[in-house]
Amino acid sequence: GESVGLHLPTLSVQEGDNSIINCAYSNSASDYFIWYKQESGKGPQFIIDIRSNMDKRQGQRVTVLLNKTVKHLSLQIAATQPGDSAVYFCAETRTGGATNKLIFGTGTLLAVQP
Amino acid sequence: DAEITQSPRHKITETGRQVTLACHQTWNHNNMFWYRQDLGHGLRLIHYSYGVQDTNKGEVSDGYSVSRSNTEDLPLTLESAASSQTSVYFCASSDGRLRQETQYFGPGTRLLVL
Repeated sequence: GESVGLHLPTLSVQEGDNSIINCAYSNSASDYFIWYKQESGKGPQFIIDIRSNMDKRQGQRVTVLLNKTVKHLSLQIAATQPGDSAVYFCAETRTGGATNKLIFGTGTLLAVQP
Repeated sequence: DAEITQSPRHKITETGRQVTLACHQTWNHNNMFWYRQDLGHGLRLIHYSYGVQDTNKGEVSDGYSVSRSNTEDLPLTLESAASSQTSVYFCASSDGRLRQETQYFGPGTRLLVL
């Protein structure tokens, strides 16, 4: 069935290092992907998105890479800061249909060590 | 600023009681969604709406209902609360043009059913 999963449930990095959070998706028809950040006690917050016609998209300190060949998505955070500590999860969907829904992964906990 | 709010933020209720969780957004978004978030499951879709008077069942809709009488609100009702419905509930909304574009989440309601 359709699913979105994460390779690493917990990622611990040193402050200032770069972080890479990975996500595998199984629906080759998905054409839109989103990364969310969820801090403790808060709702998910949109970080960055990417469409399937792109391989890479950059934001402020974040980059999302999409490899459609192996159905893999990654989120890179440059110069990780303590405020980046949160659960990150990806979501996928196929746009243009009548009832397409976002499918969410279970999340990766990013722990930034000072 | 436009936003999405949920109330109450915390709720304790007893098994068998009817509970209604409120969701209000001021973005004028057509689409609204309710999710529950439990450890190990990620976000699971309960109900969603693509506009006024439109409601649809998600993957875990049993025991829940919604109504959409205006654009801004999508209240979620637990008809007869069960302990299995103890969870954190998130409401989200998105622009209506492409149905499942980026969803923006509320802060969540933590529900405990005793």
